[in-house]
Amino acid sequence: AQSVTQLGSHVSVSEGALVLLRCNYSSSVPPYLFWYVQYPNQGLQLLLKYTSAATLVKGINGFEAEFKKSETSFHLTKPSAHMSDAAEYFCAVSRSGYGGSQGNLIFGKGTKLSVKP
Amino acid sequence: GAGVSQSPRYKVAKRGQDVALRCDPISGHVSLFWYQQALGQGPEFLTYFQNEAQLDKSGLPSDRFFAERPEGSVSTLKIQRTQQEDSAVYLCASSGSVGGWQTQYFGPGTRLLVL
Repeated sequence: AQSVTQLGSHVSVSEGALVLLRCNYSSSVPPYLFWYVQYPNQGLQLLLKYTSAATLVKGINGFEAEFKKSETSFHLTKPSAHMSDAAEYFCAVSRSGYGGSQGNLIFGKGTKLSVKP
Repeated sequence: GAGVSQSPRYKVAKRGQDVALRCDPISGHVSLFWYQQALGQGPEFLTYFQNEAQLDKSGLPSDRFFAERPEGSVSTLKIQRTQQEDSAVYLCASSGSVGGWQTQYFGPGTRLLVL
């Protein structure tokens, strides 16, 4: 079985500060890992994905995440927060990235990021 | 191009009423997923279609939930005899051809409130 744990339901940072959102996963098979962002009243947008090609993954809007198998972690970081980064962020895992029924995503509970001016 | 669209965006139903939620996936996308997102939670998988075939419905919470995709494009999620615990945002996602790397593109969701 697969699961995702996001540590911290709310994270608040100052504009320009480092953003660190934590995600730990559990998987009996090599995982495919994702970070999605959700703005109010909008659908989920993919930020980045880990597909085993490289442990450090760069995504959109300056975000990146590092896959650490030994720590079963996939934390999301951004060096300098912008006001526009305020949103809810979801970490997700799936058994496959190649479609089919194994491609369904298992999400964490989300972390709401606030950015203070 | 157009993304995934869902309608209605908001639905208020009285307990016991039947509702139908529509998803228009990105044109040509083979895979379609439905998820349920309760307040303060992450989305949870409900069901998966490959073209018109429903290959996985393991996440449907009860037999009151039914989904279809008869022509392999538009999908409808139907909830019969709605209960208050059905209140949630229902998200639809679609992705491209089977066999290649897939990114799931999400619609804006339908927010269902059962009174």
